[in-house]
Formats: sequence, structure tokens, C-alpha cells
Amino acid sequence: GENVEQHPSTLSVQEGDSAVIKCTYSDSASNYFPWYKQELGKRPQLIIDIRSNVGEKKDQRIAVTLNKTAKHFSLHITETQPEDSAVYFCAASYNQFYFGTGTSLTVIP
Amino acid sequence: NAGVTQTPKFQVLKTGQSMTLQCAQDMNHNSMYWYRQDPGMGLRLIYYSASEGTTDKGEVPNGYNVSRLNKREFSLRLESAAPSQTSVYFCASSVWGGSTDTQYFGPGTRLTVL
Repeated sequence: GENVEQHPSTLSVQEGDSAVIKCTYSDSASNYFPWYKQELGKRPQLIIDIRSNVGEKKDQRIAVTLNKTAKHFSLHITETQPEDSAVYFCAASYNQFYFGTGTSLTVIP
Repeated sequence: NAGVTQTPKFQVLKTGQSMTLQCAQDMNHNSMYWYRQDPGMGLRLIYYSASEGTTDKGEVPNGYNVSRLNKREFSLRLESAAPSQTSVYFCASSVWGGSTDTQYFGPGTRLTVL
């Protein structure tokens, strides 16, 4: 099956700085790459996604880039705020979702 | 519109006991999923149901059974709980279950097996 690796496992940034989380995947058949945010004790919630026919997608302060050749995709959060503090999961999908192991982001006020 | 709901929120079992986790969605979605979330492991798919009347194994199905009761409800059963099944269980649903279909998660059930 698919293997998704996510780095870093923890990330601390100062408020207003940018944060970048990277994921790699192994199966070239994967064609959908969602990113989920999970606050402590809450359910995962979709924040942005990208399909394999697109290289980049942006939604306000959040952007995702995809490099199909290298099989990696990244989440970029600009102008970080304390409410961005959470665990972020990437996933890759071709017949089912395979999730990365998560990145705990802390934004320091 | 409650979205995806799960019961119970918390459960403590002794080794060997059985229980059923319940999941329901009111979004008229065709596909439903059960995941488990363990520290440092992310979310792993246990079973899924692409449509009413069908179920399939995911990445970690051993020790579990599922029932797609109707279009709205998808239950997960532990016949003989083991400490290794201590985890947070999430149910999810999607419109049609395709590889590019967004999944919406329930609030989770925190299960402890002693």
C-alpha cells in the first residue's frame, strides 16, 4: 500500500512567521492530497486539498504545493496566529486515504 | 444538520469484553469509514463501506467487525477487546467514496481497554 511520511513531527514558530510542513508519498497512483487540522480533543477538519492535475492551491493564508515527479507535497501557512496551533495531518489517496503521522504546530505569541 | 455523530464519547472495557461503537451521518453520504488514531501513528483505516450493503477491509482490520445498518449508520464491533485496541476511534463519511472525495469526521470515541 501507500506510505506517507510527514516532517517535522513538531514545529514551533513565532506569531507572524511562516510554517512549512512537508509530506512524501510512495505510490504514483495517488491523485488526491488533503490536509487536516486537529485541535486538541477535537475531530480532524479539512483545511485545504489538492488534486494531482494541479501544482499549487491557495486559500487566504494557507497554500499547498504538489510535486508529482518527486512525490512530495507541502503545506504553507503564512502570518501564523496562535489559533493556528494544532496538529496537522497530510494524506494521500488513490483507493483509500493514507495519513501521515502528524505535525504538532505551536505558534508562540 | 449534525453531520457525523458517534456514541459513546468515552468507554472503558476490560480485556475480553465486547462492545459496539455507533456512527451516524445525516448528510446523505454514500460512503462511511472507521479509523483508529494512536499517538505517533496518525489515522489508520480499519474498515470502510463504499455504499449501503458493502463493506471492505482497510489497513488494520484484525479484531474488528463492521455493519452498514442502512445508508445513515455504520457500526464497529470489538468482539473480544484487547489492550492493543486502546485508541481513539473516528468515523467519517464522504459523498461517493472516490479517491478524490472529501471525508468528514465525527467527534471520536476514546476507548481504553484494561
